[in-house]
Amino acid sequence: AQTVTQSQPEMSVQEAETVTLSCTYDTSESDYYLFWYKQPPSRQMILVIRQEAYKQQNATENRFSVNFQKAAKSFSLKISDSQLGDAAMYFCASKITYKYIFGTGTRLKVLA
Amino acid sequence: NAGVTQTPKFQVLKTGQSMTLQCAQDMNHNSMYWYRQDPGMGLRLIYYSASEGTTDKGEVPNGYNVSRLNKREFSLRLESAAPSQTSVYFCASRESSGNTIYFGEGSWLTVV
Repeated sequence: AQTVTQSQPEMSVQEAETVTLSCTYDTSESDYYLFWYKQPPSRQMILVIRQEAYKQQNATENRFSVNFQKAAKSFSLKISDSQLGDAAMYFCASKITYKYIFGTGTRLKVLA
Repeated sequence: NAGVTQTPKFQVLKTGQSMTLQCAQDMNHNSMYWYRQDPGMGLRLIYYSASEGTTDKGEVPNGYNVSRLNKREFSLRLESAAPSQTSVYFCASRESSGNTIYFGEGSWLTVV
């Protein structure tokens, strides 16, 4: 069965500091995609970053980057220079064929 | 710039009542999804539609029916609402050749 696990229910970071959110997944497929979505209090699901499993290079989007460890089935999200607007729930997700499997989320608090 | 539009945004139902959640996307996507989000459980797939006229059950389909009316619209119906269906419901869509799923703003449903 495909699973996505986020073991950190809540994390805190000081404004301007760096924080890493953890995610592990389990699949026997070789072709899949991984995502991080941000959900602010408005509940809108916003795509933060995407990683194709066949790419060895880690994806980067401005202050957001991932550490993709395929052998370990690990996909962590690093947020640099944290801002107050980064405070939200963050969901890790995998896509295999048409299915998207989501983790249970990590609530990120940003302290001023 | 509408993307995925869901109606209604908020609804309170009495146990046993029926209702339909509407979803429409203007991105010409073939695939559409309905998810529910409950505290501590991430997003779980209710139903999926690969194209007009086709639907498939997801992880938690019991108590729900869907209709893929045309390429744009994918509705979710609760025939006899139960308190266990109190949740936030998300509609999403994806283009056939793409891998990113795009979400609507969510519909908050409370069953009393």
